[in-house]
Amino acid sequence: KQEVTQIPAALSVPEGENLVLNCSFTDSAIYNLQWFRQDPGKGLTSLLLIQSSQREQTSGRLNASLDKSSGRSTLYIAASQPGDSATYLCAVSRPPQGGSEKLVFGKGTKLTVNP
Amino acid sequence: GAGVSQSPRYKVAKRGQDVALRCDPISGHVSLFWYQQALGQGPEFLTYFQNEAQLDKSGLPSDRFFAERPEGSVSTLKIQRTQQEDSAVYLCASSRRAWSNQPQHFGDGTRLSIL
Repeated sequence: KQEVTQIPAALSVPEGENLVLNCSFTDSAIYNLQWFRQDPGKGLTSLLLIQSSQREQTSGRLNASLDKSSGRSTLYIAASQPGDSATYLCAVSRPPQGGSEKLVFGKGTKLTVNP
Repeated sequence: GAGVSQSPRYKVAKRGQDVALRCDPISGHVSLFWYQQALGQGPEFLTYFQNEAQLDKSGLPSDRFFAERPEGSVSTLKIQRTQQEDSAVYLCASSRRAWSNQPQHFGDGTRLSIL
């Protein structure tokens, strides 16, 4: 059974810092890995999707890497801003032969960026 | 609309009542997922539709949970004889088509409270 772990559970940083969020998964047979952002009382917003054959994806100040063989991904946020404060969730899906494209999520990292 | 729409946003019910939660996916999206999110946890998969076909219901916690998508667009999640442990946020997500490395787009969820 796939399990996803995110470390740390919470992180508080001053504005302007670069930071790294970590995600690990137990079964390396994945279809893709997705990073989401969740604001309080809201749904999830997709940030980055990394296909199993890719090593990284970038969008603006965000960069996500994937090391499938070791079961790890990192989300790098450059020059953090107070508006980045949210919970960040990592999720993996399994290959087609494994059933539906359902996502297995970690518990998230709650990020607070202080002005 | 442009995004996934869920209604109601909040639902309070007494233990033992039946509830129905609605999801309007993005127009033209073939895949539709339901997830359950407990407080402080990541979402957990409930069920998956490809058009009107329910292809995976492995995450439904009991036979009190029932989902349908009769015309391949709007979906309804029904919970019969609700219990306190059913209190959670229920999230709906859709994607353009299966196995295309497209991100899942989430609604804001329905927060269900069982008294």
